[in-house]
Amino acid sequence: QVQLQESGPGLVKPSQTLSLTCTVSGGSISSGSYYWSWIRQPAGKGLEWIGRIYTSGSTNYNPSLTSRVTISVDTSKNQFSLKLSSATAADTAVYYCARDDYYYGLDVWGQGTTVTVSS
Amino acid sequence: DIQMTQSPSSLSVSVGDRVTITCRASQGIRNDVGWYQLKPGKAPKRLIYAASSLQSGVPSRFSGSRSGTEFTLTISSLQPEDFATYYCLQHNSYPFTFGPGTKVEIK
Repeated sequence: QVQLQESGPGLVKPSQTLSLTCTVSGGSISSGSYYWSWIRQPAGKGLEWIGRIYTSGSTNYNPSLTSRVTISVDTSKNQFSLKLSSATAADTAVYYCARDDYYYGLDVWGQGTTVTVSS
Repeated sequence: DIQMTQSPSSLSVSVGDRVTITCRASQGIRNDVGWYQLKPGKAPKRLIYAASSLQSGVPSRFSGSRSGTEFTLTISSLQPEDFATYYCLQHNSYPFTFGPGTKVEIK
């Protein structure tokens, strides 16, 4: 049973880079035809898809964030990561990582981690 | 971007009630829709994939259907553990987009 767990600083200063890691357990990040995605949810608002990566390094990003977002993968650690530069208060949210079946969409999610952007 | 219009935004219902939630896509997206249940502090749970396929381990009171660009999640008899917020997701075109959510509350 694959499980995902987000980790990273819960507080980020404005203009700094928000960095999170998702650790995959119970299976190899390289097995199967899976992408690995990031999604976020600001408090009281809906879900926003940030982007995804394949283990080859191929990425797809939400155009609304593409100038600031980088998603990378480290297969040796069974992890993938999110970096969001020039953070503002609008980036305050619960951030989720998820496994993305190419044909059937997001199937397994992490529990989420709250990131606050504040001085 | 493909817009997913979800209704209603909230529902006040009783245990045992039948619940229907609808998402309408702004353009054709085949069957590339999933339905998710979110509860505070828990990992989101996929209930339905490919518009109408039941996720393994999900109770059979949950079902999904499609008519053109309209997608429906039905809970046949609401149970106490089903009080949550539900979202549809389209993964047909980038960027993937979610409906705004439906909060199911206790009457």
